[in-house]
Amino acid sequence: DVKVTQSSRYLVKRTGEKVFLECVQDMDHENMFWYRQDPGLGLRLIYFSYDVKMKEKGDIPEGYSVSREKKERFSLILESASTNQTSMYLCASSFPGSTEAFFGQGTRLTVV
Amino acid sequence: GQNIDQPTEMTATEGAIVQINCTYQTSGFNGLFWYQQHAGEAPTFLSYNVLDGLEEKGRFSSFLSRSKGYSYLLLKELQMKDSASYLCAVRDPSNTGKLIFGQGTTLQVKP
Repeated sequence: DVKVTQSSRYLVKRTGEKVFLECVQDMDHENMFWYRQDPGLGLRLIYFSYDVKMKEKGDIPEGYSVSREKKERFSLILESASTNQTSMYLCASSFPGSTEAFFGQGTRLTVV
Repeated sequence: GQNIDQPTEMTATEGAIVQINCTYQTSGFNGLFWYQQHAGEAPTFLSYNVLDGLEEKGRFSSFLSRSKGYSYLLLKELQMKDSASYLCAVRDPSNTGKLIFGQGTTLQVKP
Protein backbone atom coordinates (compact mmCIF):
# COMPACT_ATOMS: atom_id res chain seq x y z
CA ASP A 1 0.00 0.00 0.00
CA VAL A 2 1.18 3.48 -0.84
CA LYS A 3 1.73 5.51 2.25
CA VAL A 4 1.94 9.26 2.58
CA THR A 5 2.58 10.20 6.17
CA GLN A 6 2.26 13.65 7.69
CA SER A 7 4.10 14.15 10.94
CA SER A 8 1.22 15.61 12.97
CA ARG A 9 -2.57 15.35 12.83
CA TYR A 10 -3.11 18.44 14.98
CA LEU A 11 -0.88 21.40 15.77
CA VAL A 12 -1.43 24.59 17.73
CA LYS A 13 1.13 27.36 17.23
CA ARG A 14 1.44 30.98 18.24
CA THR A 15 1.45 33.94 15.87
CA GLY A 16 4.96 34.67 14.68
CA GLU A 17 6.33 31.17 15.28
CA LYS A 18 8.20 29.31 12.58
CA VAL A 19 6.28 26.13 11.78
CA PHE A 20 7.47 23.00 10.00
CA LEU A 21 5.03 20.51 8.49
CA GLU A 22 6.65 17.26 7.37
CA CYS A 23 5.49 14.79 4.75
CA VAL A 24 7.09 11.46 3.86
CA GLN A 25 6.09 9.05 1.09
CA ASP A 26 7.32 5.51 0.60
CA MET A 27 6.59 4.94 -3.12
CA ASP A 28 9.55 6.68 -4.72
CA HIS A 29 7.25 9.28 -6.27
CA GLU A 30 8.92 12.16 -8.07
CA ASN A 31 6.05 14.60 -7.57
CA MET A 32 5.00 15.92 -4.18
CA PHE A 33 2.45 18.61 -3.35
CA TRP A 34 1.25 20.74 -0.47
CA TYR A 35 -2.37 21.90 -0.43
CA ARG A 36 -4.45 23.73 2.11
CA GLN A 37 -8.14 23.00 2.49
CA ASP A 38 -10.63 25.58 3.74
CA PRO A 39 -14.44 25.41 3.89
CA GLY A 40 -16.01 26.74 0.71
CA LEU A 41 -12.64 27.09 -1.04
CA GLY A 42 -11.67 23.48 -1.60
CA LEU A 43 -8.05 22.42 -1.93
CA ARG A 44 -5.63 25.10 -3.06
CA LEU A 45 -2.09 24.34 -4.15
CA ILE A 46 0.63 26.04 -2.12
CA TYR A 47 3.83 24.52 -3.57
CA PHE A 48 4.87 21.46 -5.45
CA SER A 49 8.09 19.66 -6.28
CA TYR A 50 8.86 17.38 -9.23
CA ASP A 51 12.33 16.34 -8.11
CA VAL A 52 14.81 16.64 -5.28
CA LYS A 53 15.74 20.27 -4.65
CA MET A 54 13.23 21.39 -7.29
CA LYS A 55 10.19 23.41 -6.30
CA GLU A 56 7.54 25.52 -7.93
CA LYS A 57 4.99 27.92 -6.54
CA GLY A 58 1.38 26.94 -6.64
CA ASP A 59 -1.59 29.26 -6.48
CA ILE A 60 -1.12 30.61 -2.92
CA PRO A 61 2.59 30.50 -1.99
CA GLU A 62 2.70 33.74 0.01
CA GLY A 63 3.84 33.20 3.58
CA TYR A 64 5.12 29.69 2.87
CA SER A 65 8.33 28.04 1.72
CA VAL A 66 9.26 24.40 1.09
CA SER A 67 12.23 22.10 1.23
CA ARG A 68 12.91 18.87 -0.66
CA GLU A 69 16.37 17.58 0.29
CA LYS A 70 15.45 13.93 -0.16
CA LYS A 71 13.07 12.33 -2.63
CA GLU A 72 10.79 10.88 0.02
CA ARG A 73 10.41 14.00 2.15
CA PHE A 74 8.73 17.31 1.39
CA SER A 75 8.52 19.94 4.11
CA LEU A 76 6.24 22.97 4.27
CA ILE A 77 7.54 25.92 6.28
CA LEU A 78 5.54 28.81 7.66
CA GLU A 79 8.22 31.43 8.23
CA SER A 80 6.13 33.50 10.64
CA ALA A 81 2.74 31.92 11.35
CA SER A 82 -0.33 34.12 11.17
CA THR A 83 -3.94 33.46 12.16
CA ASN A 84 -5.04 33.37 8.51
CA GLN A 85 -2.86 30.31 8.07
CA THR A 86 -5.14 28.33 10.35
CA SER A 87 -6.25 25.53 8.04
CA MET A 88 -6.09 21.85 7.13
CA TYR A 89 -2.86 21.08 5.27
CA LEU A 90 -2.71 18.10 2.94
CA CYS A 91 0.36 16.56 1.37
CA ALA A 92 0.14 14.42 -1.78
CA SER A 93 2.52 12.50 -4.02
CA SER A 94 2.41 10.89 -7.46
CA PHE A 95 4.47 9.63 -10.38
CA PRO A 96 4.69 12.07 -13.31
CA GLY A 97 1.72 11.55 -15.63
CA SER A 98 0.12 9.13 -13.18
CA THR A 99 -3.64 8.86 -13.07
CA GLU A 100 -3.64 8.99 -9.28
CA ALA A 101 -2.23 11.17 -6.53
CA PHE A 102 -2.07 9.79 -2.99
CA PHE A 103 -2.85 12.01 -0.04
CA GLY A 104 -1.69 12.07 3.54
CA GLN A 105 -4.13 12.24 6.46
CA GLY A 106 -3.76 15.97 6.81
CA THR A 107 -2.50 18.29 9.52
CA ARG A 108 -5.01 20.61 11.14
CA LEU A 109 -3.03 23.68 12.12
CA THR A 110 -4.43 26.31 14.45
CA VAL A 111 -2.52 29.57 14.84
CA VAL A 112 -3.50 31.54 17.93
CA GLY B 1 -8.19 31.69 -15.54
CA GLN B 2 -8.99 28.49 -13.73
CA ASN B 3 -12.51 27.82 -12.53
CA ILE B 4 -14.07 24.58 -11.36
CA ASP B 5 -17.65 24.60 -10.07
CA GLN B 6 -19.55 22.05 -8.05
CA PRO B 7 -22.66 22.32 -5.87
CA THR B 8 -21.74 22.91 -2.24
CA GLU B 9 -24.17 20.46 -0.68
CA MET B 10 -26.52 17.67 -1.73
CA THR B 11 -28.85 15.36 0.14
CA ALA B 12 -30.12 11.99 -1.05
CA THR B 13 -31.88 8.94 0.33
CA GLU B 14 -30.34 5.57 1.04
CA GLY B 15 -30.82 3.22 -1.93
CA ALA B 16 -31.36 6.08 -4.39
CA ILE B 17 -29.17 7.43 -7.21
CA VAL B 18 -27.44 10.80 -7.05
CA GLN B 19 -25.55 12.77 -9.70
CA ILE B 20 -22.91 15.32 -8.69
CA ASN B 21 -22.05 17.77 -11.45
CA CYS B 22 -18.78 19.56 -12.12
CA THR B 23 -18.12 22.24 -14.72
CA TYR B 24 -14.66 23.54 -15.50
CA GLN B 25 -12.97 26.34 -17.38
CA THR B 26 -9.21 25.85 -17.30
CA SER B 27 -6.30 27.01 -19.42
CA GLY B 28 -5.39 23.41 -20.18
CA PHE B 29 -6.74 19.91 -19.65
CA ASN B 30 -5.02 16.60 -19.03
CA GLY B 31 -7.69 14.58 -17.29
CA LEU B 32 -10.45 14.99 -14.72
CA PHE B 33 -10.44 13.26 -11.36
CA TRP B 34 -13.02 12.54 -8.69
CA TYR B 35 -11.93 12.03 -5.09
CA GLN B 36 -13.95 11.03 -2.05
CA GLN B 37 -13.16 12.53 1.33
CA HIS B 38 -14.78 11.45 4.58
CA ALA B 39 -14.75 13.97 7.40
CA GLY B 40 -11.32 14.17 9.01
CA GLU B 41 -9.73 11.81 6.52
CA ALA B 42 -7.52 12.02 3.43
CA PRO B 43 -9.08 12.28 -0.03
CA THR B 44 -9.11 8.92 -1.81
CA PHE B 45 -9.14 8.41 -5.56
CA LEU B 46 -12.44 7.40 -7.16
CA SER B 47 -12.16 7.88 -10.90
CA TYR B 48 -10.27 9.39 -13.81
CA ASN B 49 -11.58 10.52 -17.21
CA VAL B 50 -9.46 11.85 -20.04
CA LEU B 51 -11.65 10.91 -23.02
CA ASP B 52 -15.33 11.73 -23.51
CA GLY B 53 -17.79 9.19 -22.22
CA LEU B 54 -18.74 7.16 -19.21
CA GLU B 55 -16.37 5.21 -16.96
CA GLU B 56 -18.09 2.70 -14.70
CA LYS B 57 -16.63 1.22 -11.55
CA GLY B 58 -19.09 -0.70 -9.45
CA ARG B 59 -21.70 1.59 -7.92
CA PHE B 60 -19.80 4.67 -9.09
CA SER B 61 -19.64 6.05 -12.64
CA SER B 62 -18.04 9.19 -13.99
CA PHE B 63 -18.84 10.99 -17.22
CA LEU B 64 -16.85 13.56 -19.19
CA SER B 65 -17.67 15.94 -22.04
CA ARG B 66 -14.56 17.92 -22.95
CA SER B 67 -16.36 20.13 -25.46
CA LYS B 68 -18.80 21.24 -22.75
CA GLY B 69 -16.26 21.38 -19.93
CA TYR B 70 -18.55 19.13 -17.91
CA SER B 71 -18.33 16.02 -15.80
CA TYR B 72 -20.57 14.21 -13.39
CA LEU B 73 -20.15 11.53 -10.76
CA LEU B 74 -23.06 9.10 -10.49
CA LEU B 75 -23.54 7.13 -7.31
CA LYS B 76 -26.06 4.25 -7.43
CA GLU B 77 -27.67 2.26 -4.62
CA LEU B 78 -26.60 4.85 -2.10
CA GLN B 79 -25.36 3.65 1.26
CA MET B 80 -24.99 5.60 4.49
CA LYS B 81 -21.20 5.27 4.20
CA ASP B 82 -21.35 7.31 0.97
CA SER B 83 -21.93 10.41 3.09
CA ALA B 84 -18.75 12.35 2.35
CA SER B 85 -17.33 15.21 0.32
CA TYR B 86 -16.74 14.60 -3.37
CA LEU B 87 -13.95 16.57 -4.98
CA CYS B 88 -13.69 17.29 -8.69
CA ALA B 89 -10.19 18.12 -9.96
CA VAL B 90 -8.63 18.90 -13.34
CA ARG B 91 -5.03 17.99 -14.05
CA ASP B 92 -2.65 20.57 -15.45
CA PRO B 93 -1.34 19.55 -18.89
CA SER B 94 2.30 20.21 -17.95
CA ASN B 95 2.76 16.62 -16.71
CA THR B 96 3.74 17.82 -13.26
CA GLY B 97 0.64 16.09 -11.99
CA LYS B 98 -0.65 19.33 -10.53
CA LEU B 99 -4.37 19.13 -9.74
CA ILE B 100 -6.77 22.06 -9.65
CA PHE B 101 -9.69 21.37 -7.34
CA GLY B 102 -13.26 22.58 -7.11
CA GLN B 103 -14.64 23.49 -3.71
CA GLY B 104 -16.10 20.02 -3.19
CA THR B 105 -19.67 18.75 -2.77
CA THR B 106 -20.77 17.50 0.63
CA LEU B 107 -23.25 14.66 0.19
CA GLN B 108 -25.50 13.62 3.04
CA VAL B 109 -27.25 10.28 2.69
CA LYS B 110 -30.37 9.94 4.82
CA PRO B 111 -32.16 6.74 5.81
